[in-house]
Amino acid sequence: GQQLNQSPQSMFIQEGEDVSMNCTSSSIFNTWLWYKQDPGEGPVLLIALYKAGELTSNGRLTAQFGITRKDSFLNISASIPSDVGIYFCARFGNEKLTFGTGTRLTIIP
Amino acid sequence: GAVVSQHPSWVICKSGTSVKIECRSLDFQATTMFWYRQFPKQSLMLMATSNEGSKATYEQGVEKDKFLINHASLTLSTLTVTSAHPEDSSFYICSARDVGRGREKLFFGSGTQLSVL
Repeated sequence: GQQLNQSPQSMFIQEGEDVSMNCTSSSIFNTWLWYKQDPGEGPVLLIALYKAGELTSNGRLTAQFGITRKDSFLNISASIPSDVGIYFCARFGNEKLTFGTGTRLTIIP
Repeated sequence: GAVVSQHPSWVICKSGTSVKIECRSLDFQATTMFWYRQFPKQSLMLMATSNEGSKATYEQGVEKDKFLINHASLTLSTLTVTSAHPEDSSFYICSARDVGRGREKLFFGSGTQLSVL
């Protein structure tokens, strides 16, 4: 089936650093979503993207929908301890939401 | 955002018993709910789509007789893991679609950690 590959798989950064992660797909689709999952919790929607080239911000988070419609990136500026968690991209298609492989973010004290 | 409540948060059961997990949309009506399963350090995998008043649609490889889904009202879907075995131990997460906020926007419950002994 269609797979969303995220990179990097994991990140270890210091507080205050900026973070960048991306998501790629082998196929084109029309909606990109970015979720964050805290340990033992369900995912929470961060940003939704609907148009190729669209750049959307949510506080310190910025996400862009790639112009090829096969990729997206998520940036976090000035990371803080509560940014720790797993970040998933997701696509909506065929009335279903499919998740990427995830990027695990760890902040080193 | 919309609120989805999932219960219980965790459950431990003996092999061979059945476990029911509830998913409720608290402030909106959800004609469609989704059930996911997540193994440690893996992504969320869709198990089935639950439609109010009709049969659930299961993903390939998911046994419909083992994972019974009932969506009897616009605010409640249940997943029953029948005759649970240790390999069914996993984190189960439900989600619901609030069409009024955009059909692609799913809101997730807090998950249920199932441990089968």
